[in-house]
Amino acid sequence: GAVVSQHPSWVICKSGTSVKIECRSLDFQATTMFWYRQFPKQSLMLMATSNEGSKATYEQGVEKDKFLINHASLTLSTLTVTSAHPEDSSFYICSARRDPGLILYFGPGTRLTVT
Amino acid sequence: KQEVTQIPAALSVPEGENLVLNCSFTDSAIYNLQWFRQDPGKGLTSLLLIQSSQREQTSGRLNASLDKSSGRSTLYIAASQPGDSATYLCAVYTGNQFYFGTGTSLTVIP
Repeated sequence: GAVVSQHPSWVICKSGTSVKIECRSLDFQATTMFWYRQFPKQSLMLMATSNEGSKATYEQGVEKDKFLINHASLTLSTLTVTSAHPEDSSFYICSARRDPGLILYFGPGTRLTVT
Repeated sequence: KQEVTQIPAALSVPEGENLVLNCSFTDSAIYNLQWFRQDPGKGLTSLLLIQSSQREQTSGRLNASLDKSSGRSTLYIAASQPGDSATYLCAVYTGNQFYFGTGTSLTVIP
């Protein structure tokens, strides 16, 4: 089946630094990818929709200047958490929609800890 | 806006029992509904996907049903095992995005 990878799987960074998370569709093209955030014992919250070659669409309440999304190719989207704070510590999961069609495939997630 | 609710939030059963997890959604205009499993600190594992035109899907000991008109889905797990312990999430897909439920945390006691 289709595979979506995320890198890194976990990362620890200091407050004030930036960290980049990659989401790759390994064996299919994905015009659209999604970024989710999950706090402990809570469900997934959609942060933004990433479209190849255009600006991401952010959900209400998500700071676009803090969570920078780039979808430069049909197989790669990146999420950069800028000037990270401890409250940004969370589990970030991406998903990719296989072209053509409506099936989404999810990455394994990235655990971010900001100290 | 689509809202997805799962009941119960937590469930603890002895090994071997059959159990049902419930999922309800407010807007019946969906393309499909998917059940996922999530182990602690891990990503999502897709269990079953039901297209909007389907009534149910089965995979091994798992059976998921969908009643789109009433906005409900159930996940039936037969002969539960300790390895089934995890959080189960349902999600509805509108064609634009997924809306996730709040999850049911299942513990199967040996």
